[in-house]
Amino acid sequence: GEDVEQSLFLSVREGDSSVINCTYTDSSSTYLYWYKQEPGAGLQLLTYIFSNMDMKQDQRLTVLLNKKDKHLSLRIADTQTGDSAIYFCAETGDTGNQFYFGTGTSLTVIP
Amino acid sequence: NAGVTQTPKFQVLKTGQSMTLQCAQDMNHEYMSWYRQDPGMGLRLIHYSVGAGITDQGEVPNGYNVSRSTTEDFPLRLLSAAPSQTSVYFCASSSYTTDKRNYGYTFGSGTRLTVV
Repeated sequence: GEDVEQSLFLSVREGDSSVINCTYTDSSSTYLYWYKQEPGAGLQLLTYIFSNMDMKQDQRLTVLLNKKDKHLSLRIADTQTGDSAIYFCAETGDTGNQFYFGTGTSLTVIP
Repeated sequence: NAGVTQTPKFQVLKTGQSMTLQCAQDMNHEYMSWYRQDPGMGLRLIHYSVGAGITDQGEVPNGYNVSRSTTEDFPLRLLSAAPSQTSVYFCASSSYTTDKRNYGYTFGSGTRLTVV
């Protein structure tokens, strides 16, 4: 199956920028996604990027896509304690229906 | 609009017991799926369905059964619970796409299952 890889942990200080990285193997995905999971909760869709885009910005969030290297990143500007959560990268493979998730990156924001 | 509703939120089972985890969605989504989440392993697909009457296996189907008699409901059955099935279970749904355009899954809040 498709492989989606992320580092497991990231720590940043409040007010700094966070960058969460992801690599994937299936180049046929039309969209790539970032989900956020707060403690004890389900996953919420944060943002997604169409595969023919290089960048998408949404308030404090910036998504960068490098299709050649199959690398996706999520930058959170001015990181707040409420951003502490697990962030999952996902892609949908060749049909667009089945999602493949990374292991998740646990972001800890230090006050 | 309730979205995806999972029940129960918490459950403790003894080894060998059976139970059904319920999942219901009110968005008329054709595609529904069950994942389990374990530390350091991300989300692993158990079973999925592309519409009423159609189900298929995912990455880790052993020990689980599903059925899809209606568009709204997609229950997950544990046939004979084992400690290895201790996990957090998530149900998710989305519209079915034929042009690879998928605007994302909607997830339930999860069922935390402990098998002792």
